[in-house]
Amino acid sequence: DIQMTQSPSSLSASVGDRVTITCRASQSISTYLNWYQQRPGKAPKLLIFGASSLQSGVPSRFSGSGSGTDFTLTISSLQPEDFATYYCQQSYSTPLYSFGQGTKLEIK
Amino acid sequence: QVQLVESGGGLVKPGGSLRLSCAASGFTFSDDYMIWVRQAPGKGLEWISYISSSGSTKYYADSVKGRFTISRDNAKNSLYLQMSSLRAEDTAVYYCARVNILTGYQIFDYWGQGTLITVSS
Repeated sequence: DIQMTQSPSSLSASVGDRVTITCRASQSISTYLNWYQQRPGKAPKLLIFGASSLQSGVPSRFSGSGSGTDFTLTISSLQPEDFATYYCQQSYSTPLYSFGQGTKLEIK
Repeated sequence: QVQLVESGGGLVKPGGSLRLSCAASGFTFSDDYMIWVRQAPGKGLEWISYISSSGSTKYYADSVKGRFTISRDNAKNSLYLQMSSLRAEDTAVYYCARVNILTGYQIFDYWGQGTLITVSS
């Protein structure tokens, strides 16, 4: 099974900050990496697929990069609605999908 | 528009059974793979089951294998999760989601609102 590890587990930042979240896979997954945002009490929302492709309708301040085992999600200028929990998810070993443990982004 | 609506959640005793449903609309349900994902209170997301578009292929996470059964009725645009031998650790919000394929990448692009299962005596 492919294990996904995110860091940090939580992060405090201010509106306007640039933030980076890291995701590491236990083996190479090429670019089969997706990022989701989840607000409290809501279902997850797809942000990035294929490691770096922006899902339709997602603001351009979100970007993703990486390949192989190391990936990053960057938010260039935090907005109030971005305070949420972020999950990476691999789709390399379909359909045995797996998620990272999540990164909670909180207001400083 | 695409909608996924789960139902069937509630309180169940350890060792009990429950069947979740997910009603789909706004897309051609029979064309798409579907999954169930759960989230224990205050915890992260856990993929638990997958079913192919025809229903002929099914996969399960080790945590539910042998206890949960995924199925679908394409004529009714519905997805199901039959859960048995329930344990306290199965307490979670259960989401159904559609698997879509974008430029070769499988993504979960639409999710239901979730239904809460509480396993407790």
